[in-house]
Amino acid sequence: GNSVTQMQGQVTLSEEEFLFINCTYSTTGYPTLFWYVQYPGEGPQLLLKVTTANNKGSSRGFEATYDKGTTSFHLQKASVQESDSAVYYCVLGSSGGNYKPTFGKGTSLVVHP
Amino acid sequence: DMKVTQMPRYLIKRMGENVLLECGQDMSHETMYWYRQDPGLGLQLIYISYDVDSNSEGDIPKGYRVSRKKREHFSLILDSAKTNQTSVYFCASSPPGQNTEVFFGKGTRLTVV
Repeated sequence: GNSVTQMQGQVTLSEEEFLFINCTYSTTGYPTLFWYVQYPGEGPQLLLKVTTANNKGSSRGFEATYDKGTTSFHLQKASVQESDSAVYYCVLGSSGGNYKPTFGKGTSLVVHP
Repeated sequence: DMKVTQMPRYLIKRMGENVLLECGQDMSHETMYWYRQDPGLGLQLIYISYDVDSNSEGDIPKGYRVSRKKREHFSLILDSAKTNQTSVYFCASSPPGQNTEVFFGKGTRLTVV
């Protein structure tokens, strides 16, 4: 079946540092990949998505490349701000049958001023 | 304004009591979801509903049941709540088709004492 692995439970950075959140996935077919962000007291919301393998998606300074060769979809940002502190979920869509997305366990980002 | 609304936002129940969590969406989405979120475990899928009276078990359905009698409403029921069901519960919905965005509510924090 489908699976998503986020090895980092928490990432702690200072403002203006580079962010890298690791995400790998396992699936058959060619599903879409997503990153969701959850701010304190809110539900998760879509940050970005990439539908086609080997393409890059970007939003609000965040980027992720759908790498089918390494089955990875890492999230990056050149310079984080305190307001980026949140939980980030890597999500694998599904292809065929009823839709059932697969969420990773999430990575908590803490950015200190 | 597209949104998923959860009621109540906070709830305290005694062990053995019945619990009803309600969710509504104003986007006419066919698919709705119930997740629970616990520290270190991320979002775990309890049930999916693909339309009225078309419900499927998710990854952790034990101890829960659901009801969907109208497309815009999806209820989660805990018969005889247990302390290990203390969690934050999220309802979500998505439009038809594969690899679509999932829209989340703000969550209900349930404490079972």
